[in-house]
Amino acid sequence: KAGVTQTPRYLIKTRGQQVTLSCSPISGHRSVSWYQQTPGQGLQFLFEYFSETQRNKGNFPGRFSGRQFSNSRSEMNVSTLELGDSALYLCASRYPGDYGYTFGSGTRLTVV
Amino acid sequence: DQQVKQNSPSLSVQEGRISILNCDYTNSMFDYFLWYKKYPAEGPTFLISISSIKDKNEDGRFTVFLNKSAKHLSLHIVPSQPGDSAVYFCAAGGTGANSKLTFGKGITLSVRP
Repeated sequence: KAGVTQTPRYLIKTRGQQVTLSCSPISGHRSVSWYQQTPGQGLQFLFEYFSETQRNKGNFPGRFSGRQFSNSRSEMNVSTLELGDSALYLCASRYPGDYGYTFGSGTRLTVV
Repeated sequence: DQQVKQNSPSLSVQEGRISILNCDYTNSMFDYFLWYKKYPAEGPTFLISISSIKDKNEDGRFTVFLNKSAKHLSLHIVPSQPGDSAVYFCAAGGTGANSKLTFGKGITLSVRP
């Protein structure tokens, strides 16, 4: 079966711009989470969505936002990009009741 | 406040020997724990999980042990293989509003041929 698909894989943006990242979960998975990975910081939780509702939000500024659509696909948006936003952004999905999330390959965002 | 800690940044073992990766947590509300493996430029891959009501779970070469009183879990890989060389993340989660996964910072495992 198809895995979690994230697009684009790589992105270069300029400070002050905004960016939208997309995630298509595995069919049947209604829970989608987003994580930011930077060197030495592990995976930092951004948000979690379930059935189009944000269920949890991590400790990130309001420049980071997300949403989930009725088909469970999700997007995250970062506005007014800063150099420190350069990171690997990972999307993960899981079936209700499962423990483990399945991760996508991520979107590597570079802010210059 | 780091609720999941992997205090050793790296571990090197000989092929065929046991690899023991450790993880500590502080939040007693966690209901389950997971281990993920990650290669560069790829997303983490789920390895094994354990519920807080168990103290051991085994899947092939991978065994996770949970010591709730010590708030400690460990991943044992036996025997270790060169293909196991990767970054391993420990994660913990709860239910409902606490369903998000909290990750440790990871440990880099190198298995020497």
